[in-house]
Amino acid sequence: NAGVTQTPKFQVLKTGQSMTLQCAQDMNHEYMSWYRQDPGMGLRLIHYSVGAGITDQGEVPNGYNVSRSTTEDFPLRLLSAAPSQTSVYFCASSYSTEYNSPLHFGNGTRLTVT
Amino acid sequence: AQSVTQLGSHVSVSEGALVLLRCNYSSSVPPYLFWYVQYPNQGLQLLLKYTSAATLVKGINGFEAEFKKSETSFHLTKPSAHMSDAAEYFCAVSDPGGGNKLTFGTGTQLKVEL
Repeated sequence: NAGVTQTPKFQVLKTGQSMTLQCAQDMNHEYMSWYRQDPGMGLRLIHYSVGAGITDQGEVPNGYNVSRSTTEDFPLRLLSAAPSQTSVYFCASSYSTEYNSPLHFGNGTRLTVT
Repeated sequence: AQSVTQLGSHVSVSEGALVLLRCNYSSSVPPYLFWYVQYPNQGLQLLLKYTSAATLVKGINGFEAEFKKSETSFHLTKPSAHMSDAAEYFCAVSDPGGGNKLTFGTGTQLKVEL
């Protein structure tokens, strides 16, 4: 079991460029989500999905798109990168959408926008 | 809206000393509360969770937390710190509106000194 796999580990973008952060899980988890981690701010929810074909916005969705065409994959798209999107991004999944179901995290993608 | 406050962004203890990391929550309904740990360059891992079954919750690596409704607190403790406990610790509360959304605190960096 690989768990939650995120690629790439590191990425540098120029302002205005677009890219996709990949997230895949092999645990047949129903729920998947994206967080960003910034110093002194903890983790903030960007988007989440409660199943294939269903996505919704979290606390900080602006500038990001997601889709969930399969149970396994939940890519995060940056449409036009901005320096404010410099952050560490974590994908997390859980086996159910029950609110006591613990999250399993990937190892993160460190993104720098210049 | 749910929220958590972690007092002290940095805590330093000696090896063998008591570890106490503070977390206070705000919730309009009975909360589900979590502690996660993040080691350098890794994602978050679940330490323990409170789901109303018992007020004293035991987790992995000798950590435990006590839910105190009267104080709206969920402090994390460990009787004797080990060098391997050095990490960042996050308290989180779940949104009972569903979707397994977590609201994280800003984190406490634990340093363990010889």
